[in-house]
Amino acid sequence: NAGVTQTPKFRVLKTGQSMTLLCAQDMNHEYMYWYRQDPGMGLRLIHYSVGEGTTAKGEVPDGYNVSRLKKQNFLLGLESAAPSQTSVYFCASKDETHTEAFFGQGTRLTVV
Amino acid sequence: KNEVEQSPQNLTAQEGEFITINCSYSVGISALHWLQQHPGGGIVSLFMLSSGKKKHGRLIATINIQEKHSSLHITASHPRDSAVYICAVRQEETSGSRLTFGEGTQLTVNP
Repeated sequence: NAGVTQTPKFRVLKTGQSMTLLCAQDMNHEYMYWYRQDPGMGLRLIHYSVGEGTTAKGEVPDGYNVSRLKKQNFLLGLESAAPSQTSVYFCASKDETHTEAFFGQGTRLTVV
Repeated sequence: KNEVEQSPQNLTAQEGEFITINCSYSVGISALHWLQQHPGGGIVSLFMLSSGKKKHGRLIATINIQEKHSSLHITASHPRDSAVYICAVRQEETSGSRLTFGEGTQLTVNP
């Protein structure tokens, strides 16, 4: 099992460009999450999904969109990147019971 | 005020020392997680607690639900324990089992 895999690991974007971050999990988990991590702050939830075809907003959803067309994949899109979106992005997944969450290795995104 | 507060923010220790990292929260929770993040690496789950105490190797996690406080202890610390340790809580009645995170404690263990 690969666990949770994020693609890409690093990316530099120019302001206004768009991109999609892919999160894939092979554990048949129902719940998936996208977080951003910024210096001096805890991880903040951007969007999450409780099952295939469903998504919901987290704490900081503005400027991002998500899709969960397949249970194993959770995509995070930036339609028009801004320097404020420079961050490290983490994807996580877990099953429906109260168990641990599994995290990806992170994507370091820089918007210039 | 953050819902999850960790202390200290930074901690430097000598190899072999006993280490304690604290986490206080201000909301009702159904579970508390301790996570570890190595430099440049991903995040791994160490413990999930809803009551009492758990031990794994040199790591011990405790939680006091009445006092809304948890501690992570590392016995006989080693340089490889150097990492950021993150406390996170699952609030009661939260949809999607969402977590609220503390800012993390940067631990450096010197040889």
